[in-house]
Amino acid sequence: ETGVTQSPTHLIKTRGQQVTLRCSSQSGHNTVSWYQQALGQGPQFIFQYYREEENGRGNFPPRFSGLQFPNYSSELNVNALELDDSALYLCASSFGAGGSYNEQFFGPGTRLTVL
Amino acid sequence: DQQVKQNSPSLSVQEGRISILNCDYTNSMFDYFLWYKKYPAEGPTFLISISSIKDKNEDGRFTVFLNKSAKHLSLHIVPSQPGDSAVYFCAASHNNAGNMLTFGGGTRLMVKP
Repeated sequence: ETGVTQSPTHLIKTRGQQVTLRCSSQSGHNTVSWYQQALGQGPQFIFQYYREEENGRGNFPPRFSGLQFPNYSSELNVNALELDDSALYLCASSFGAGGSYNEQFFGPGTRLTVL
Repeated sequence: DQQVKQNSPSLSVQEGRISILNCDYTNSMFDYFLWYKKYPAEGPTFLISISSIKDKNEDGRFTVFLNKSAKHLSLHIVPSQPGDSAVYFCAASHNNAGNMLTFGGGTRLMVKP
């Protein structure tokens, strides 16, 4: 069973650029959630995708967008990068969404640095 | 507005002793609580959880206590081991939110041999 993988591991961008981060969910999972973890803070929920549709969104502006593909892998896109976007971006996969909690498994994250 | 707070950024404990990590929440809609452990360069890994219908859940060396009236939960690790040294996050969810978790800021636990 393959776990959750994310690419790239590290990324450096400059302010104003756009970035795409990728996540492959664990085998059998159909839900992907994305979190932003700023330095010294806990992860903050960005959004969740369930069966290729956005299923919920946290308090993040529209320049944070995502996609989920038929194989349930996912992308996080951030436009017009700002310095405060520098963070570790985590994705987590699970089976099922909404209702009660379903155990989710986190990937190792992508470290984004915006200069 | 931080709905889940971990007020101790760090905790140092001697090997073999008890580690107690605390977490407070403000949103009374939360009905499911989790603890995650995170090592550097790895994603958080699930440790233990508790539903709001319980006040205690135990799994080996790990016990989580929930005090709903105080909106407080704690994680007890007994006995603590050097391999437990990591950052611990508490997280909360409510029934309609499923897997959309609200995390605390984390507590770095250091277990000294």
